[in-house]
Amino acid sequence: GAVVSQHPSRVICKSGTSVKIECRSLDFQATTMFWYRQFPKQSLMLMATSNEGSKATYEQGVEKDKFLINHASLTLSTLTVTSAHPEDSSFYICSARGMEGSGGYTFGSGTRLTVV
Amino acid sequence: SQQGEEDPQALSIQEGENATMNCSYKTSINNLQWYRQNSGRGLVHLILIRSNEREKHSGRLRVTLDTSKKSSSLLITASRAADTASYFCATPTGGGNKLTFGTGTQLKVEL
Repeated sequence: GAVVSQHPSRVICKSGTSVKIECRSLDFQATTMFWYRQFPKQSLMLMATSNEGSKATYEQGVEKDKFLINHASLTLSTLTVTSAHPEDSSFYICSARGMEGSGGYTFGSGTRLTVV
Repeated sequence: SQQGEEDPQALSIQEGENATMNCSYKTSINNLQWYRQNSGRGLVHLILIRSNEREKHSGRLRVTLDTSKKSSSLLITASRAADTASYFCATPTGGGNKLTFGTGTQLKVEL
């Protein structure tokens, strides 16, 4: 089945630095990828929709200059958390939907970001 | 904003028992999906039920959908310790392109 690979699984960074998270579709082409944020024991909140070859669409309240999304190819989307602060510490998860537009979504394994 | 509210928030049962989780949503849907998340991991798609379906089975999973009540339920029969996880319902929103998740149910199956 479809596999989405997300890296890194864990990252610790210092305040003020930037962190890049990668999301790759391994055996299918993903025209659209989604980035979610999840706080402990809470649900997933959609941050943005990443579209191949065009600008990402951000959800209300999400700072696009802080969370930079690039979807340069049909198999790779990246999320860069710029000038990270401790409050950005969270679990970030990507998901992808194939070109056929089927109802199922495939998720990456998530990235635990800790900003110290 | 959250599309779905789930209850219970947490459920603890003994191995072999059945677990039922409920999800309510607010707007009209084309389909409703259930996902499982092990602690600190990504989500795994379990089952999708379309708006014209009332019940669907997959192994030990049984999902029902009542569009008149805007609700769905997930039943896990003969639960196992390995079923311990968080379970989320999700519905396509924003023109059907993105998923909005419910609040989730944390299931713990004890030996």
